[in-house]
Amino acid sequence: GAVVSQHPSWVICKSGTSVKIECRSLDFQATTMFWYRQFPKQSLMLMATSNEGSKATYEQGVEKDKFLINHASLTLSTLTVTSAHPEDSSFYICSAGATSLFNTGELFFGEGSRLTVL
Amino acid sequence: GENVEQHPSTLSVQEGDSAVIKCTYSDSASNYFPWYKQELGKRPQLIIDIRSNVGEKKDQRIAVTLNKTAKHFSLHITETQPEDSAVYFCAASPSGNQFYFGTGTSLTVIP
Repeated sequence: GAVVSQHPSWVICKSGTSVKIECRSLDFQATTMFWYRQFPKQSLMLMATSNEGSKATYEQGVEKDKFLINHASLTLSTLTVTSAHPEDSSFYICSAGATSLFNTGELFFGEGSRLTVL
Repeated sequence: GENVEQHPSTLSVQEGDSAVIKCTYSDSASNYFPWYKQELGKRPQLIIDIRSNVGEKKDQRIAVTLNKTAKHFSLHITETQPEDSAVYFCAASPSGNQFYFGTGTSLTVIP
């Protein structure tokens, strides 16, 4: 199957700093990428959907100024957690799909990034 | 929009027994139903999927059934093994750009 790579896998930062997480599709062009947040033993909470070359669509309750999403190319989307606070500590996962792959319907996930804000 | 419910939230079975996880969905436009397995700290992995034109699909010890009329689908794992212990998520997709996930089921297989 297609490969989605996420980086970093784990990041620790101080409160008030910003952290950028990258999501790359390695062997296909991802026209759409999804960003999720996952708390321990809980489901994937969709934060936003990003389409290449356009603004991301945020889910209700997700602060767009807090979680900046950029999908500048067909292989890269980034999530920046701005002015991070301890309550932002979580596991963030991206997933990607492409029109051609959506014919099969499969969604490909990154490895996830664990953010710890001190 | 689509609403996916998943039950049970936790499930413990003895090794060798079967496990069944059920999901319901609300949007009749949903036509693709994947199941994902997620081990602790790792990415979700697709284990089986089914489309709306099929009622049942099987892959070795794993099977999925779909009832379009009732809008529910189920994951069946037979002859469970300790390595089946993980969190399982169902999802419903009305289009390629939309995936709605269930709340997850934490499966524990007791040796």
